[in-house]
Amino acid sequence: DAGITQSPRHKVTETGTPVTLRCHQTENHRYMYWYRQDPGHGLRLIHYSYGVKDTDKGEVSDGYSVSRSKTEDFLLTLESATSSQTSVYFCASGDNSYEQYFGPGTRLTVT
Amino acid sequence: DQQVKQNSPSLSVQEGRISILNCDYTNSMFDYFLWYKKYPAEGPTFLISISSIKDKNEDGRFTVFLNKSAKHLSLHIVPSQPGDSAVYFCAARSSNDYKLSFGAGTTVTVRA
Repeated sequence: DAGITQSPRHKVTETGTPVTLRCHQTENHRYMYWYRQDPGHGLRLIHYSYGVKDTDKGEVSDGYSVSRSKTEDFLLTLESATSSQTSVYFCASGDNSYEQYFGPGTRLTVT
Repeated sequence: DQQVKQNSPSLSVQEGRISILNCDYTNSMFDYFLWYKKYPAEGPTFLISISSIKDKNEDGRFTVFLNKSAKHLSLHIVPSQPGDSAVYFCAARSSNDYKLSFGAGTTVTVRA
């Protein structure tokens, strides 16, 4: 399995505060992704990266930003957290093969 | 609009019997399909895949069938085991894109 870690694993925050989630991979994968998982929706892509400093929006990008300054790290920032952003967030990485390898997830609760 | 659909949210099957999970897609550009398995409190893990040049791919107890004309694929698990109880996600992509589109998932429960 690809070495992908996410931190923190759990977080509770208040509405209006900024939050940053971190994804770290040790596989030297070029591509990295952030998803959110919600009941009835499966996994929805928030943002993705196809190289250092190269990022683009996914299908549910509003209210989120990302940064990738190193191959191994991909940060997801909630500019001003809202209750609708309460979710489980998964990071994934991959190379030129078709599979993506997922991290263990971060459970975020916005109160 | 969801391009990959798993219309059965849940499936219950007796241990030793066959589990059949279905997935439909709408994007005719999709040419590679994957199934992921997810246990609670863990990330999804890759299970099996199929390219559009094939109509069947088998890996042990898991077989994926692809019907391109119907834009439909299915995952067969034979025989089902208690450890197969998990959420299964269908995913698809086109060869000129590195993003995956996921279905909503099917929760499989294998009864002893």
